[in-house]
Order: sequence, then structure tokens, then C-alpha cells
Amino acid sequence: NAGVTQTPKFRILKIGQSMTLQCTQDMNHNYMYWYRQDPGMGLKLIYYSVGAGITDKGEVPNGYNVSRSTTEDFPLRLELAAPSQTSVYFCASSPIFPGQSYEQYFGPGTRLTVT
Amino acid sequence: RKEVEQDPGPFNVPEGATVAFNCTYSNSASQSFFWYRQDCRKEPKLLMSVYSSGNEDGRFTAQLNRASQYISLLIRDSKLSDSATYLCVVQDNFNKFYFGSGTKLNVKP
Repeated sequence: NAGVTQTPKFRILKIGQSMTLQCTQDMNHNYMYWYRQDPGMGLKLIYYSVGAGITDKGEVPNGYNVSRSTTEDFPLRLELAAPSQTSVYFCASSPIFPGQSYEQYFGPGTRLTVT
Repeated sequence: RKEVEQDPGPFNVPEGATVAFNCTYSNSASQSFFWYRQDCRKEPKLLMSVYSSGNEDGRFTAQLNRASQYISLLIRDSKLSDSATYLCVVQDNFNKFYFGSGTKLNVKP
């Protein structure tokens, strides 16, 4: 199992450009999450998905969009990049079932700089 | 008010020391609790779940006080390899996870 993979590892964007951060998991987990982590801070939830075709907003969704067409893939789209979106982006997945909780498995992260 | 609050540290301790981290959370309906470890510039990894009765995993002991909305992590006999940032994580009843800012631990020889 590769676990959770993210591409690219690093990216520099100019203000106003767009890009898609890719996330794939091969563990057949139902839940997937996107977080951003600013320097010296904890992770903040951007969007999450409870299964294919279902997504919902987290704490900081503005400026981002997601889709979940398959169990495996959960891409994050940045439209009109702004310097405030400079951060490290982590994707995670978790096999959550009602009444239970499981650990989250994280990808290695994408370091994004917007200048 | 932040969902999860932690002392950022850093905690600078010698090898062999015992160190304790604390964490408070604001949502009384929170369901599950975890400690994650994050090494510099790496992704977080689960250290241990935290149960109401308290639980131990080797040198690590976690405690939960639901009445006070307080979670703790105790590390005994610190090793150099324990140097990292420790993240307190709380899961709500919608299966969303809230992370504290992390407590940085430096274990010195």
C-alpha cells in the first residue's frame, strides 16, 4: 500500500494563478480531508468528504474547491491564488464508521508559495 | 475562542526526564481524542488515542478529563528521538478533527 500520496511536493504560484493539488489513497477509506498548516500553527480543516460524491466545508474553505468522484481521489482546487494561501497543505484519510473513530493517515504534504 | 488550546512551549528537557503536556478543548460534545506527533517539515502521525479511563503505551500515558475538557500526555524517561511537536486533536460528532497548535519538545543530551 502506498497510503496517501500527494502531488506536487512543492509549487510556486503567481498571484491570480490557479492550480489543483492532487491527493490519492489506496486504503479504501471513506473519509478524506484537506488541511492547511501555517508556520507555527496547527492544522486547519479546509474541506472534507464522507464518501464519493459528498463534500462539505471545514473551518477555512474560502478560496478553495474540492470534488470527490471516486473513493480514491480528493483533489483540492485553488482559484485566483493569493499570498494568504501560502502554506503547507496536507491531505488525510480515515476509515470512519458510525459510533467509532480511527486515526487519520496523512500524505507528505504540498508546500505552496504564492508570490 | 479556539477549539483546542495547547501551550506552544518549547519544553527543553534533559534525556531521562519526565515531561507533561496539557490541552483544553471547547466543545463539550467532542467524541474522540488523540495525540499526534509531528516531526519538522513532516506530516503528523498518530501517537496514541486518549480514552476516558486513561491509557498507557510504553513510556507514554494519556489522560482525559471530560468534566474539565482537559487532555494530558505524560512522557517518561525522555529520549532524544522524542524531540518533536505534539499535537492535541479532538474529533467532534460530525467526524471533523480539530488540531491544537502543538507543543514543541526538545530533549537534550
